[in-house]
Formats: sequence, structure tokens, C-alpha cells
Amino acid sequence: EVQLVESGGGLVQPGGSLRLSCAASGFTFSSFWMSWVRQAPGKGLEWVASLKQDGRETYFVDSVKGRFTISRDNAKNSLYLQMNSLRAEDTAVYYCARRGSYSQYFDYWGQGTLVTVSS
Amino acid sequence: DIQMTQSPSSLSASVGDRVTITCQASQDISNHLNWYQQKPGKAPKLLIYDASNLETGVPSRYSGGGSGTDFTFTIRSLQPEDIATYYCQQYDTLPLTFGGGTKVEIK
Repeated sequence: EVQLVESGGGLVQPGGSLRLSCAASGFTFSSFWMSWVRQAPGKGLEWVASLKQDGRETYFVDSVKGRFTISRDNAKNSLYLQMNSLRAEDTAVYYCARRGSYSQYFDYWGQGTLVTVSS
Repeated sequence: DIQMTQSPSSLSASVGDRVTITCQASQDISNHLNWYQQKPGKAPKLLIYDASNLETGVPSRYSGGGSGTDFTFTIRSLQPEDIATYYCQQYDTLPLTFGGGTKVEIK
């Protein structure tokens, strides 16, 4: 069974940093693109970042470029999101999601981890 | 960025009704569109990919169609378990973008 389990969320002050983790199991992690998608409280979904299987290609939404870094450790079946210079507008539930094999859809999602940026 | 406009933003229908949601892209995205269902407090779930392909294990009362800029998502016969918010998502061009969502309720 495919499982994605996020961790690392919490309360952080504006300008602070946080590192999210996503532990994957039930599939060959190194064979899939992985992504982060977020959802502000009561709002819709927003794609944040994606990372190729070997970690050598990354893509980000403009609003986080230069502040967020996405990485992975295929030996540990883990995906990460390093978030620096956090702003109030980064407050959201952050989901880890797997990109499907056949096309660019997100076929499995984690349960999400809440990041709150507030003083 | 490609803007995805969903309508309506919410709807209320009776059990057994046919429900249709539309999604319009701000430019031609071919069939590069997916549909997701999100129940309160839960992660999104993939229902339809590439505009019209039903994800494995998803009930056949769900269907999708369209290409270019105009897309539809239909629930053939609304069931109580279909209460959720539905999102379209384009993958034609980065950044990947989602529609604003359609909240479906039972009348």
C-alpha cells in the first residue's frame, strides 16, 4: 500500500525557517517525481514545487522561488521541503504528493502537515 | 500563468441528480487536465486524469470531458458520499495551477 506521511509542521515566526519531511513507503520511491502542494486555511490548492526522480530537476511556483528548496533522499525514501524567510502567506497545510506513472497527475497524497507563520 | 476558472463555486443537488461542473482554462491546454475530490479534513483524491480517463478504482458515475479551454466534470447520479469540494488542475504549463474549487452539497 502506498503511503506518504508528512512531518515537521508547526508554528514559526515570520522570517523563520522550517523543514518538512515526507516518508514514502509501498512503492519504488526513486522511480517517481514528487511534489509539494499547499492549501491555506479555507482556501484552494496551490502547487508549490516538484522534483525529478534523481533530484537534478526542480521547479517552484514563483512566490517561493529563492526561499524554498525541495530535495530527496532516495536511500531513505524521503522527500523534503526546506522553507526559509517564511511569511504569513505561507501559512497552509502542506501535502506531499506523488506524480503518476502515465501522466502528470498526483495519484497519491499524504495527510498533510500544518505550517503556521505568525508572531 | 494559466488561470483555471471553475463554475459554479458551490452547488446543492438531490441524491440521484446529475451534477456537472465546468472548468475553463485561460489558454489552450489540450487535454492536460485532471480532476480531484477533497472531503473535509482530508487530502485530495485523484478522480480523472488527462481530461477523461477514470482513475483505477474510482466509481464509473464520475466522468470528465473536454479539450482546449473548456472542460466538464459530471457525477451521473449524486450519492451522499459525493459531498466534497472538486478541483480541476492543469499540467500543460508550469506553474501547475488549480481551479478555485466547487463545493457540492446535498439538498
